[in-house]
Amino acid sequence: GDSVTQMEGPVTLSEEAFLTINCTYTATGYPSLFWYVQYPGEGLQLLLKATKADDKGSNKGFEATYRKETTSFHLEKGSVQVSDSAVYFCALSEVNSNYQLIWGAGTKLIIKP
Amino acid sequence: DAGVIQSPRHEVTEMGQEVTLRCKPISGHDYLFWYRQTMMRGLELLIYFNNNVPIDDSGMPEDRFSAKMPNASFSTLKIQPSEPRDSAVYFCASRLGVWPQHFGDGTRLSIL
Repeated sequence: GDSVTQMEGPVTLSEEAFLTINCTYTATGYPSLFWYVQYPGEGLQLLLKATKADDKGSNKGFEATYRKETTSFHLEKGSVQVSDSAVYFCALSEVNSNYQLIWGAGTKLIIKP
Repeated sequence: DAGVIQSPRHEVTEMGQEVTLRCKPISGHDYLFWYRQTMMRGLELLIYFNNNVPIDDSGMPEDRFSAKMPNASFSTLKIQPSEPRDSAVYFCASRLGVWPQHFGDGTRLSIL
């Protein structure tokens, strides 16, 4: 079945550092890919998405490119801030599973000033 | 725009008591999801509805859990009787068609 694998956390960085959180997937069809972010005490928010190969999703300085050849959707940001500290979830959905979200385990990001 | 609204935000109750969690989805959304989040098990899908009809409840832990959606603007998740291992954050989410899900802020449930 479909699955999503994320790098384990926590990931600890200093402010203004470059961020990469790895995400790879397996899917039977042609999935859409998502990154959600969960700030402390809050629900999950959609951060960005990509619906087909080579699409780049971007929002709030974060980017991720849908790489079909490597089945990856890595999240990147050029310069992180303390306010980016949160848990980040990679997910996929496709028609074969009625567009249900298949979730990665989440990666906790800690940014130190 | 009003997002997904959950109530209560926090609930503390004693083992054996009935617990009812409530959710108001975004107006016009036709899918509603209930999730549970714990440190040990992460994010788990419990059940989801389409047009108020339960489609998949395979994630519901056991018969103590039940969920209803009497109309398009309201859903409940009930636990009876509650147990300490039910302590978790419960999220409700909704979506329109194939668009991404929108989450509420969750109910933090503690069973003593």
